[in-house]
Amino acid sequence: GAGVSQSPSNKVTEKGKDVELRCDPISGHTALYWYRQSLGQGLEFLIYFQGNSAPDKSGLPSDRFSAERTGGSVSTLTIQRTQQEDSAVYLCASSLGILTEAFFGQGTRLTVV
Amino acid sequence: SQQGEEDPQALSIQEGENATMNCSYKTSINNLQWYRQNSGRGLVHLILIRSNEREKHSGRLRVTLDTSKKSSSLLITASRAADTASYFCATDYNQGGKLIFGQGTELSVKP
Repeated sequence: GAGVSQSPSNKVTEKGKDVELRCDPISGHTALYWYRQSLGQGLEFLIYFQGNSAPDKSGLPSDRFSAERTGGSVSTLTIQRTQQEDSAVYLCASSLGILTEAFFGQGTRLTVV
Repeated sequence: SQQGEEDPQALSIQEGENATMNCSYKTSINNLQWYRQNSGRGLVHLILIRSNEREKHSGRLRVTLDTSKKSSSLLITASRAADTASYFCATDYNQGGKLIFGQGTELSVKP
């Protein structure tokens, strides 16, 4: 594709519900990143996929968060039993390989009410 | 925390002035990158400088890297109102490519 695509753009969910956020990286990009950004804050690293290596999950804040990347392409970030503190913009990025520039999607704004 | 630290947190200047933002980090790196973010959504890559480089230019942007001081600076010359955005540094910390971002500098350029 032309760029990194994230869906949905906005998601409002009730506390306690599960949500799935989708990221379509640029075709051929082997690295994929998920970040979380609260209002006016920096980017909080969540998880990193690189090729066929085991993902680096060191940034996931709790076991309610999980992510997978199918076929080395599309990735889904799942948040179970959402809490109000999960409200943030979730950003996905991909890069051609390690140590190269990352291309970001426009993010999913998650609001938990 | 391994995150880079940027200063200042906020910077307000007049159009035409230069803007300098600094980034410090804690451990060895392979490269350091600068990104720009408008309106709290997707980030745009500006420039990448490798650990064996000391200075890099791209248009009105100049980035320096001092590995002995573990710091980098981004200079925007002849700023424009359109440069108003948040600017972030990011680095890999020699951890297999994982990119860690700083807290960012919010730049406001007044016409």
